[in-house]
Amino acid sequence: EVHLGESGGGLGQPGGSLTLSCTASGFSSRSFVMSWVRQAPGKGLEWVADISGPGDNTHHAGSVRGRFTISRDNSTVYLQMNSLTAEDTAIYYCAKRHGGNFYYFDHWGQGILVTVSS
Amino acid sequence: QSVLTQPPSASVTPGQRVTISCSGSSSNIGSNSVTWYQQFPGTAPKLLIFSNNQRPSGVPDRFSGSKSGTSASLAISGLQSEDEADYYCAAWDDSLSGYVFGSGTKVTVL
Repeated sequence: EVHLGESGGGLGQPGGSLTLSCTASGFSSRSFVMSWVRQAPGKGLEWVADISGPGDNTHHAGSVRGRFTISRDNSTVYLQMNSLTAEDTAIYYCAKRHGGNFYYFDHWGQGILVTVSS
Repeated sequence: QSVLTQPPSASVTPGQRVTISCSGSSSNIGSNSVTWYQQFPGTAPKLLIFSNNQRPSGVPDRFSGSKSGTSASLAISGLQSEDEADYYCAAWDDSLSGYVFGSGTKVTVL
């Protein structure tokens, strides 16, 4: 059974840094694109970044480009978040992209809360 | 401001049909497949429709999707109280080189 587990959230300082981790199990994670999606309190879903299976190709949303970096190491996917602002406060979900030509997420983690506040 | 536009809410009586629209552009819906996700309060989104009109196993056939040009729609027929949730459309955007979500539609069962 596919399982995605996020960790590393919590309280971050404005201008500070946090690193989220997503541990994948139940499938060969190196074969799939993995993503981070966030949801601010009471708001909709926002795609943040994705990384290819081998980890050699990444995309980042314009709102986080230059501040956030997605990476992976074996079955763990990371999101390094720098220069945090209050607008980064959200639940962050790890998501697995379905293999193949179509882009969609077939499995999601339970999400982890990141709060940016002084 | 979401790249894909959805109505913020829809209210329907049980047993009726509701259709949720999703409007995009040539760089997203117009050139890539559309996905729909269902989200209940306090839980992670769940895949509902992929590749415009395909249902994953376990999704009732009351849910159906369609796409035409730069727009897509999700229809729920025979609405049940358990269908009360937020629904999001999504697609890859070639211009942004990113995945974009709709603004979300809250379906309320009266």
